Amino acid sequence: DQQVKQNSPSLSVQEGRISILNCDYTNSMFDYFLWYKKYPAEGPTFLISISSIKDKNEDGRFTVFLNKSAKHLSLHIVPSQPGDSAVYFCAASEGGANNLFFGTGTRLTVIP
Amino acid sequence: NAGVTQTPKFRILKIGQSMTLQCTQDMNHNYMYWYRQDPGMGLKLIYYSVGAGITDKGEVPNGYNVSRSTTEDFPLRLELAAPSQTSVYFCASSYSDPRFNTQHFGDGTRLSIL
Repeated sequence: DQQVKQNSPSLSVQEGRISILNCDYTNSMFDYFLWYKKYPAEGPTFLISISSIKDKNEDGRFTVFLNKSAKHLSLHIVPSQPGDSAVYFCAASEGGANNLFFGTGTRLTVIP
Repeated sequence: NAGVTQTPKFRILKIGQSMTLQCTQDMNHNYMYWYRQDPGMGLKLIYYSVGAGITDKGEVPNGYNVSRSTTEDFPLRLELAAPSQTSVYFCASSYSDPRFNTQHFGDGTRLSIL
């Protein structure tokens, strides 16, 4: 049973525009959320995270928004760049646990 | 600056064969993890370890074994390979709690069972 879901397998965006990647979760005990980015033939790399006590976290061009009542989070990339083309995974963790639950990923293509 | 190193990068096994996927990290991280990623799916945790001598099951442990005799190494053993174990396997490590300490991943081992 997939506790973290990314319902859009792919997204294409023009360079310079905003990319919005979405993630939904079912476990109300999740209290920390992360985004990882993955290039082909490489392992995922950490991008940005947010605690459940916040509703927004920003790091440069990347902003993550959390809506706890809707069990939904989103990653905004502004402006999008061709180097952002990758697969983005949403992940979540429950307090006291030692592992992360990953979504299925969204492949972002930024068109020059 | 090696980080997390996985070997081999690719392997083809016959049904019923056994093999060990190697993982080593040079960051002195306490926590180590094994994930598998099936096509179109997210990463699913197989086993993890919070320190030498301590291992625990993740979501999908059946058909696998692990050991953690040193801080650096966390090998994953497949005893009787089955086609359902065809996947890409990722090893990761973090200093401690993965919520607050970034997980560093290796580049993966692509395993095919025929």
